[in-house]
Amino acid sequence: GQQLNQSPQSMFIQEGEDVSMNCTSSSIFNTWLWYKQDPGEGPVLLIALYKAGELTSNGRLTAQFGTTRKDSFLNISASIPSDVGIYFCAGHHDYKLSFGAGTTVTVRA
Amino acid sequence: DAGVTQSPTHLIKTRGQQVTLRCSPKSGHDTVSWYQQALGQGPQFIFQYYEEEERQRGNFPDRFSGHQFPNYSSELNVNALLLGDSALYLCASSLLQARSNQPQHFGDGTRLSIL
Repeated sequence: GQQLNQSPQSMFIQEGEDVSMNCTSSSIFNTWLWYKQDPGEGPVLLIALYKAGELTSNGRLTAQFGTTRKDSFLNISASIPSDVGIYFCAGHHDYKLSFGAGTTVTVRA
Repeated sequence: DAGVTQSPTHLIKTRGQQVTLRCSPKSGHDTVSWYQQALGQGPQFIFQYYEEEERQRGNFPDRFSGHQFPNYSSELNVNALLLGDSALYLCASSLLQARSNQPQHFGDGTRLSIL
């Protein structure tokens, strides 16, 4: 099956910092998606990427679909407290989504 | 505009029992996918339903079965429950356009605990 490696596994952020995380795969995907999951809730779609090399923004979030179609990254600029949560990358192929294990973002006290 | 809704939110069962989970897709969506999310992990694809038929299946045993109704809502059934079936079960809906799925939108899941 397809395996997605997401890094870092966890990170601590200070309010106002820029944050970056990435995802690599052994397989090619047609679409990359980034989701955020808060405790007790389902994943919420942040950004969808449909073409290799595509760079897409959604407010303070920016994501890119790697040119090899095997990787993607997500940047969060000027982080705020509500950015805490678990971020998942997902590759879309053959009707199904394959997810990474998530990056847990926590605010540094 | 209602999003994906799932019921129940929590469920406790014992080993060997059977369970049925329900999902109503987002308005306008025609495709439903089910995922299992163990604690600390990403969701794992179980299967997808479109036009009332199972279109794609992940690496899950036959104890996991499903159904899609004419109104696009769906059920996930799990028989002979095992302790390892304890997880958050997520339903996601999407719209099939031009032979490819649009992004999947998730419900808040059903937390299933097996004692």
